[in-house]
Amino acid sequence: ELKVEQNPLFLSMQEEKNYTIYCNYSTTSDRLYWYRQDPGKSLESLFVLLSNGAVKQEGRLMASLDTKARLSTLHITAAVHDLSATYFCAVDTYQAGTALIFGKGTTLSVSS
Amino acid sequence: DVKVTQSSRYLVKRTGEKVFLECVQDMDHENMFWYRQDPGLGLRLIYFSYDVKMKEKGDIPEGYSVSREKKERFSLILESASTNQTSMYLCASSSVYNEQFFGPGTRLTVL
Repeated sequence: ELKVEQNPLFLSMQEEKNYTIYCNYSTTSDRLYWYRQDPGKSLESLFVLLSNGAVKQEGRLMASLDTKARLSTLHITAAVHDLSATYFCAVDTYQAGTALIFGKGTTLSVSS
Repeated sequence: DVKVTQSSRYLVKRTGEKVFLECVQDMDHENMFWYRQDPGLGLRLIYFSYDVKMKEKGDIPEGYSVSREKKERFSLILESASTNQTSMYLCASSSVYNEQFFGPGTRLTVL
């Protein structure tokens, strides 16, 4: 059974400091996705990582994928309040219908 | 932009009622999904469909059924709503790279 584990599950951040969220998965896959969810809202796609070594950046967020280590990281540079949200990683199982397996999510809270 | 719409943002139903949740996508995606999201449990896949009239059970299909008569529309049906089906329901469709695009969600309360 494919498992996707995120850590930490909760992260209290200070403004202007850097942080990293980790997403580990238990089986071979080279497709990984990051989503953001604001309270009471739906999920918004952030990054699509489709190969080993893929790196994507948007503003203060940078995501990378190491398929050999079965690990993706979401790095936050100089945290700001607007980044407060829950972040999910998801892995492609390559099964029929291609359902993704989601991690439990990491809730970030930025305080000044 | 991909757009996934859901028929209701908030819905209140009574125990035993039949409930229909509708989802429509406008990007000609083959795959569509229904999830429920509960605090502490993350997203759980109920059903998905990879073609018209095709459906596959996800992790928690009990108490639910689905219908996909047209490519753009995927409906979730609660045959007899129960209080433990109170939840946020999220519909999604996926692109060729399997990136899933989510609708705004339906918060269902069953009394």
